[in-house]
Amino acid sequence: QQPVQSPQAVILREGEDAVINCSSSKALYSVHWYRQKHGEAPVFLMILLKGGEQKGHDKISASFNEKKQQSSLYLTASQLSYSGTYFCGITSNNAGNMLTFGGGTRLMVKP
Amino acid sequence: DAGITQSPRHKVTETGTPVTLRCHQTENHRYMYWYRQDPGHGLRLIHYSYGVKDTDKGEVSDGYSVSRSKTEDFLLTLESATSSQTSVYFCAISVLLAGPNEQFFGPGTRLTVL
Repeated sequence: QQPVQSPQAVILREGEDAVINCSSSKALYSVHWYRQKHGEAPVFLMILLKGGEQKGHDKISASFNEKKQQSSLYLTASQLSYSGTYFCGITSNNAGNMLTFGGGTRLMVKP
Repeated sequence: DAGITQSPRHKVTETGTPVTLRCHQTENHRYMYWYRQDPGHGLRLIHYSYGVKDTDKGEVSDGYSVSRSKTEDFLLTLESATSSQTSVYFCAISVLLAGPNEQFFGPGTRLTVL
């Protein structure tokens, strides 16, 4: 079953922060975050594994709450380049890498 | 750059015609995937492959078949295209042999079925 992302869309000013949530009705083993710009391919941001720690690079980080079956992506001090659609993809076990993606969150950063 | 190309990049076809999309990779990665992307649905897995001649179905495989006769090529075939198969199709590869790991996506093929 497809994970649910919220919000569906968000508009920010440069320098503002945003949080994107990804919730699953099934137990999570891994959560993968991707960003896609209009007309381009999705680009990998990070992966979080069950039992792992919060990950991040630069001003983008993510957390994994096993009990809530949820992951959150944190974008701090947003830049214009952060604009795009963010997708979470999940796996429910360690058996493979077949992802089930959420419907996406459209993020627009304005000057 | 994972060296993934897709062809064609754009295609317009008519209902009932067969269509084959090609995904080519240059780095001999074992795992390859076909997704379709539609507004509001994100990316949905059609089929995947874990080696030459080893393929399996994803969540939306009806109406699609795949073949992988060489490590570098993964073909997606619509035997008889329907308007509901109008979509953007992405191929992806995994670098590691197994387990959750990042996927690299090709540039996509925009298919329109009239």
